[in-house]
Amino acid sequence: AQRVTQPEKLLSVFKGAPVELKCNYSYSGSPELFWYVQYSRQRLQLLLRHISRESIKGFTADLNKGETSFHLKKPFAQEEDSAMYYCALGRIGNEKLTFGTGTRLTIIP
Amino acid sequence: DAEITQSPRHKITETGRQVTLACHQTWNHNNMFWYRQDLGHGLRLIHYSYGVQDTNKGEVSDGYSVSRSNTEDLPLTLESAASSQTSVYFCASSARRGSEAFFGQGTRLTVV
Repeated sequence: AQRVTQPEKLLSVFKGAPVELKCNYSYSGSPELFWYVQYSRQRLQLLLRHISRESIKGFTADLNKGETSFHLKKPFAQEEDSAMYYCALGRIGNEKLTFGTGTRLTIIP
Repeated sequence: DAEITQSPRHKITETGRQVTLACHQTWNHNNMFWYRQDLGHGLRLIHYSYGVQDTNKGEVSDGYSVSRSNTEDLPLTLESAASSQTSVYFCASSARRGSEAFFGQGTRLTVV
């Protein structure tokens, strides 16, 4: 069975400080990992995925297969980063996504 | 612009009533999904469909059903609403394997 763990339900960070949202997964095959974000009163949207290896809004995430992790990082937090963040796991060749429980990030001005 | 829309946005219903939540997408995506979002549980998959006439159960499918008679719509039916089904429901669609999933704006359902 595939599982996604986001250990922090809530995370508060000062503006300008580094941010790291943790995500660990369990899956025996080849995983596809995603980060989705939900800003206040907006719909859930894709932030980034490990396949594209890109930086979106200053966020990056590296897939570490040895540690089965896909932590989301940003060197300098901004107030507009306050949102709910979900890590999601998919199997290569399968459309279904398994979501973690989410981390609510609050940036303190 | 193509989009995915859910209706209604808010619904209050009584225990035991049948309720149907609508989901409509105009991207011509084959894949459609229904999730529920609950505090402490994140998003959990209820049902999903990979194409017309195809439906599959997700991890929390008990008490829910879906049907896919065309590409654009995947209505979610609660056969006999229960208070445990009070939640926010999200519909999503995607074009193909590994591609981005696009989400609707959500339906907040309260069962009293």
